[in-house]
Formats: sequence, C-alpha cells, structure tokens
Amino acid sequence: DSGVTQTPKHLITATGQRVTLRCSPRSGDLSVYWYQQSLDQGLQFLIQYYNGEERAKGNILERFSAQQFPDLHSELNLSSLELGDSALYFCASSVAGASGGNTDTQYFGPGTRLTVL
Amino acid sequence: EDKVVQSPLSLVVHEGDTVTLNCSYEVTNFRSLLWYKQEKKAPTFLFMLTSSGIEKKSGRLSSILDKKELFSILNITATQTGDSAVYLCALLLAGSARQLTFGSGTQLTVLP
Repeated sequence: DSGVTQTPKHLITATGQRVTLRCSPRSGDLSVYWYQQSLDQGLQFLIQYYNGEERAKGNILERFSAQQFPDLHSELNLSSLELGDSALYFCASSVAGASGGNTDTQYFGPGTRLTVL
Repeated sequence: EDKVVQSPLSLVVHEGDTVTLNCSYEVTNFRSLLWYKQEKKAPTFLFMLTSSGIEKKSGRLSSILDKKELFSILNITATQTGDSAVYLCALLLAGSARQLTFGSGTQLTVLP
C-alpha cells in the first residue's frame, strides 16, 4: 500500500457525460500528479500540482481539468467524455515538486478505471 | 523529443532464471531514472538512479545506470512466479516540474 488513495475504483459512464476522480496524497506529500494509462498509449503524464498550484501540464485535453485543494487532495475532472477516454487514471504523490524538494520518488495510487460506453 | 525505450517488450522465463531488462533513453535534461513494477494495479516503486555506476540492490533485484551510454538495466536473479509483471522505466527531468516520462514497459512472465 503506497499511502495514496483514489476514489472511485471503477466508473462506468456514457459519452458526453462528466466525471470527477479524487485523489488523496500520502501524508506529508505536497505534489500530486495525474497520469492516464491506456492500452495503446502507455502511462502518460497529464498534470501536476504542488501545494495547491499547477506546476506542469502534459498531454492533457482541454476537456480535462484538475485542482488541488488546501488539504492537498486533488480532483481530476473529465467532461464531454468520449469512448477514447476509457483508461486507467492514476494519481501519484511525492514530497518534491518544486525546486528545494529533497525527494522525487512518486508513489502511485491504485487507480480509477474509467469506462465510457 | 525525450524518448525512453525498453527492451525486450516481453520475456518468458522459468523459475530460477536470471533476467536482464534494458532501458535506454534520449533526453535533454536528465535528473533521475526510476524503475517501477506493475502488476494488475498501480506501479510500485523499485529504484531511483541518479549517478552512473552505483548499483542499487533490493533482495534479488538490482539496477545500475550508465549516463555516458544513456541506459539502465534491471536484473532479477532466481526469478519467482511472483516476479511476473510489467517493469516500467521512467525518466525524471531537471527543472521545476517533476513529471515522469515512461517507457512502454517489459512484460515479464515467469513460469513455474
């Protein structure tokens, strides 16, 4: 158990809908990262937050957004869902995330499996 | 563009065999290389390598980095069926962001 929690574990929804995935980082970790894993694309970085602020963006679609709250949990919002959005969505956390951090190791949560029908 | 290439893509061995998994990379701003093990769930952290030539060991697993030739290897000795998993190599680049760039993984299957 990495200490990172994600809810829900599974989500089945229809095209055009909107969903919210939730992540709680390990105690003491300030950075949260979101990754998408699909069969054809592998693990792809979406977005990073550090202590409430957006730090980096990867190949995140405009239909997707995220935020990190004062208690450091994070939510990933996916809207206007398409069939191709079906994937495993992982959250990871680390202590570091900006200059001055002393560890870069990212610990992954169990993931949310999203199925869009 | 930053690139991480893992080989082989898949590997089937028998219990007791020793395996070597490879990860080569092309990046402009290297900071660290990480290895993860992924069974049918979340990637679990194995090693982080930052300096060349220093072997990291954990039980039957070990890994080393060569920053001159831009590759890393992950060795597993005396393999067990529980080692069956996808092994992922990921790069961490220097800079204020800390996102990981992953390779496509090596699927290891250990037969009894």
